[in-house]
Amino acid sequence: QSVLTQPPSVSGAPGQRVTISCTGSSSNIGANYAVHWYQHLPGTTPKLLIFLNTIRPSGVPDRFSGSKSGTSASLAITGLQAADEADYYCQSYDSGLSGWVFGGGTKLTVL
Amino acid sequence: EVQLVQSGAEVKKPGESLRISCKCSGYSFTRHWIAWVRQKPGKGLEWMGIIYPGDSETRYSPSFQGQVTISVDKSITTAYLQWSSLKASDTAIYYCAREGDDDYLADSWGQGTLVTVSP
Repeated sequence: QSVLTQPPSVSGAPGQRVTISCTGSSSNIGANYAVHWYQHLPGTTPKLLIFLNTIRPSGVPDRFSGSKSGTSASLAITGLQAADEADYYCQSYDSGLSGWVFGGGTKLTVL
Repeated sequence: EVQLVQSGAEVKKPGESLRISCKCSGYSFTRHWIAWVRQKPGKGLEWMGIIYPGDSETRYSPSFQGQVTISVDKSITTAYLQWSSLKASDTAIYYCAREGDDDYLADSWGQGTLVTVSP
């Protein structure tokens, strides 16, 4: 059971928009710790997509965006492409655990 | 350029010991925490623990406390993850990651080390 809760899977057709939620609690996201998002393809290193809730690193397309409110955060992907098929993880810090926490991961399928 | 290069895949038997490594370069090693993250087959990412190379302060996830040991050798800018007695359930890919300057962000990752524990 992950400290941050994500849907196990989402799907969408090419060109569509999908969102992935990440729900935490008062000891992590709700305590104003930042949320970061990673894209992970099997056998590769996790790739940073969004950091500090909303910021895209250079090289990440603006089709990817992040938001945060209260004890939750979301990753939105617009203009879905086949290359977006991957696992997506949210990550934050938890003051009770004094360490990083990850969501359980969401598998994105492009139909 | 920041680089974290991990040691190669390992195949071990239950009960054996193991130490895997994460060689860090391209930045001031003693100024950034280094974390270890586990991914079991078909499962998600799990934070195991973290170490500050400057003074070797170490914190463990409750799930991994007492199960593994995290250490560093500052002289060769390398972090380690070790087991004294492996179990089949330790079969996983293990990643090291550098904590950046921004709010507990994993800003650089090693390529991962596959550890297989089988009789």
